[in-house]
Amino acid sequence: GIQVEQSPPDLILQEGANSTLRCNFSDSVNNLQWFHQNPWGQLINLFYIPSGTKQNGRLSATTVATERYSLLYISSSQTTDSGVYFCAVVVGEYGNKLVFGAGTILRVKS
Amino acid sequence: GAVVSQHPSWVICKSGTSVKIECRSLDFQATTMFWYRQFPKQSLMLMATSNEGSKATYEQGVEKDKFLINHASLTLSTLTVTSAHPEDSSFYICSARDGWGSPYNEQFFGPGTRLTVL
Repeated sequence: GIQVEQSPPDLILQEGANSTLRCNFSDSVNNLQWFHQNPWGQLINLFYIPSGTKQNGRLSATTVATERYSLLYISSSQTTDSGVYFCAVVVGEYGNKLVFGAGTILRVKS
Repeated sequence: GAVVSQHPSWVICKSGTSVKIECRSLDFQATTMFWYRQFPKQSLMLMATSNEGSKATYEQGVEKDKFLINHASLTLSTLTVTSAHPEDSSFYICSARDGWGSPYNEQFFGPGTRLTVL
């Protein structure tokens, strides 16, 4: 099956710093989502991005489907950005499978 | 919009009992709902996909008799963990996908249910 690799696995930032998270996938996908899992376990949808670039406030994402990777940029990080960031790819004929990467644990220090 | 709820948020039960978890899409119709399991400090693993009005499709290695899934309406899916044992303790998360438009519509996730089996 498809492999989804995220890097780095852990990241510690000082408040105000910028960061880039990477997601590589091993095969063609129908779509890709980025999530933030907060300390209570809730997954929050950040981006739904099969290709191109999207921005939402301090966050932006770029997916280059032909090269099988996606990047999540976090600018001016805040302590509330802490948590786990997952990318997940949509596969299957009916888009019925969302395969998750292992996640990046982000800790933002004040 | 696109809110998914789960109930209960946490449950503690004795070994051998059955536990039912509900997943509801509150502001959209979900022809397809998904159930995931997450172990501590690990990623989410898809357990099964349920389509409204039909039998669930289970991922390889998931016991369908242990994890009963029902998707009786466009806004409700339930997961019943039957004869629960300590190894079933985990964080269970559901998601729902808008039923209309592209089959690759994004999934929205519930807040999860933490199950502890004593």
